[in-house]
Amino acid sequence: DVKVTQSSRYLVKRTGEKVFLECVQDMDHENMFWYRQDPGLGLRLIYFSYDVKMKEKGDIPEGYSVSREKKERFSLILESASTNQTSMYLCASGLGGSPSGELFFGEGSRLTVL
Amino acid sequence: AQKITQTQPGMFVQEKEAVTLDCTYDTSDPSYGLFWYKQPSSGEMIFLIYQGSYDQQNATEGRYSLNFQKARKSANLVISASQLGDSAMYFCAMIQALGRLYFGRGTQLTVWP
Repeated sequence: DVKVTQSSRYLVKRTGEKVFLECVQDMDHENMFWYRQDPGLGLRLIYFSYDVKMKEKGDIPEGYSVSREKKERFSLILESASTNQTSMYLCASGLGGSPSGELFFGEGSRLTVL
Repeated sequence: AQKITQTQPGMFVQEKEAVTLDCTYDTSDPSYGLFWYKQPSSGEMIFLIYQGSYDQQNATEGRYSLNFQKARKSANLVISASQLGDSAMYFCAMIQALGRLYFGRGTQLTVWP
């Protein structure tokens, strides 16, 4: 079974804390994505990575950074969490190359910043 | 400009009826793919159906079919014989050749008995 695993389903952090959200996939996918989802706004791309150590900014990268040291792991980092980063965070992974239907999501991480 | 537009924030349908959820997209790439996902209140993203831009026939998966009109840049989802369990948020998404994946804002579908 394909698996995309996100490290935490629910997190509560304080303003100014450093937050790590981890995503691991076991399908040897080249592409990995981090989205945030807010009511009425759909899913907005924060960053995506198309290979180890390669990354591209999405539509809302401000306040976030990412790390992809190994192919299977893509981490989202909030250097100094703020209340406006309270959201649902979704990780996805998929094949590289030509567009294909092989794309899978993790269960999501709901982050609350107090 | 939005890459994916879903114009229906909410839709209602009676059980056993068919419903169409609208999606239009914007790209100049010849190679792309279109997805529909279902997101129940639990939050997981459930894959429903995929259509490649070069696919000649409309994709179908059980009760789901994708009405792909390339010239109109339209990729509507048709759910036949709606069930109460179909009540959820539905997202249309497009993947392009470089791997970027864009989502619409979603349509909240409510199925009533």
